[in-house]
Amino acid sequence: QVQLVESGGGVVQPGRSLRLSCAASGFTFSSYGMHWVRQAPGKGLEWVAIISYDGSNKNYADSVKGRFAISRDNSKNTLYLQMNSLRDEDTAVYYCAKLIANNKWHVFGYWGQGTLVTVSS
Amino acid sequence: QSALTQPASVSGSPGQSITISCTGTSSDVGGYNYVSWYQQHPGKAPKLMIYDVNNRPSGVSNRFSGSKSGNTASLTISGLQAEDEADYYCSSYTSSSTPYVFGTGTKVTVL
Repeated sequence: QVQLVESGGGVVQPGRSLRLSCAASGFTFSSYGMHWVRQAPGKGLEWVAIISYDGSNKNYADSVKGRFAISRDNSKNTLYLQMNSLRDEDTAVYYCAKLIANNKWHVFGYWGQGTLVTVSS
Repeated sequence: QSALTQPASVSGSPGQSITISCTGTSSDVGGYNYVSWYQQHPGKAPKLMIYDVNNRPSGVSNRFSGSKSGNTASLTISGLQAEDEADYYCSSYTSSSTPYVFGTGTKVTVL
């Protein structure tokens, strides 16, 4: 059974950094690309970033490009999101999501429960 | 990249059918058969309901179906049940610099 557990959220001041983690189990983590998706309080979903199964390919939403970095450690079955230069508008619940199949980059097949990041002074 | 356009709310009585639309452009919904639909109950993570326009993952009820015409995709829920009350989001691959876009979301109310 696929399990994705995010952690690392919290309250952080504007301009500071935070690193989120997503611990994966129940599947062969090293075989699947992974996404980060966020949802501001009371708002809709927004795609953030994607990484290939081996970490060699990455892509970002324009809204976070140059500030956020996605990475993974396949030996630890863990996905990361390094968030730098945080802004008020980055306040959101951050979800990690697994592809439903490795040839379907556009399908968010399984989701974690999310971790809340609040950017506030 | 702007969000795909969905109606803010749709409602129906138990047993009825409802349809939620998701309107984009030829650069996203209209250009690719890469539309997915997600159900989200309050305080919970989204759940995949439909992918590639009209494919259901295993375990999803066959009361949920998808279709597409031009730049508009649709999710139909037949035999509406109380447990279907939730927010629904469409998503699509897009040829823009941000390659994945979600819809604005639709709140489904079961009367």
